Amino acid sequence: EVQLVESGGGLIQPGGSLRLSCAASGFTVSSYYMTWVRQAPGKGLEWVSVIEDGGTTHYGDSVRGRFTISRDNSDNMLFLQMNSLRAEDTAVYYCTRGRGRTSSYDSWGQGILVTVSS
Amino acid sequence: DIVLTQSPATLSLSPGEGATLSCRASQNIYSYLVWYQQKGGQAPRLLIYDASNRATGIPARFSGSGSGTDFTLTISRLEPEDFAVYYCQQRYSWPITFGQGTRLEIK
Repeated sequence: EVQLVESGGGLIQPGGSLRLSCAASGFTVSSYYMTWVRQAPGKGLEWVSVIEDGGTTHYGDSVRGRFTISRDNSDNMLFLQMNSLRAEDTAVYYCTRGRGRTSSYDSWGQGILVTVSS
Repeated sequence: DIVLTQSPATLSLSPGEGATLSCRASQNIYSYLVWYQQKGGQAPRLLIYDASNRATGIPARFSGSGSGTDFTLTISRLEPEDFAVYYCQQRYSWPITFGQGTRLEIK
């Protein structure tokens, strides 16, 4: 069974840093497009970042230069390092898996809340 | 960036009725269009990929159509569990973008 479990969220002050983790089971993260998607409270979905199976990364305009996506193949985990956090980064962050080698997200974690506030 | 515009913003229907949700792209995205369903407090669920292919386990009452810039999600006969928010997403180019969502509510 495919499972994705996020951790590492919480309350952080503006300008601070946080690292999200996503533990994957039932498949190998290095064989898929692994993506972070976020959702601000009461708002729609926003794509954040992807790491392709080959290791290439892409970022949304609002996080480029501040966030870094990575994975650990040995532990089968996905990460999102978030620096210079802003109030507008407050959201539930979902770890997702792309179907095949695509960006159609067929598996989602339960989501983890990140709150940026002083 | 490719902008996806969903309409209507809210759709009020009764169980048993049919629903038609639209998604328009700001440029040609061929068939690289995905639909998701999200219920309150839950993660989204993949419904349709590549415009018209139902994901695993999705009931046949859900169907997708369209190509280029205009796409449609159709629910043939609404069940009580279908009332939710629906998002479209393009996977044609980076950055991936989502529509703003259509809320399907019980009339």
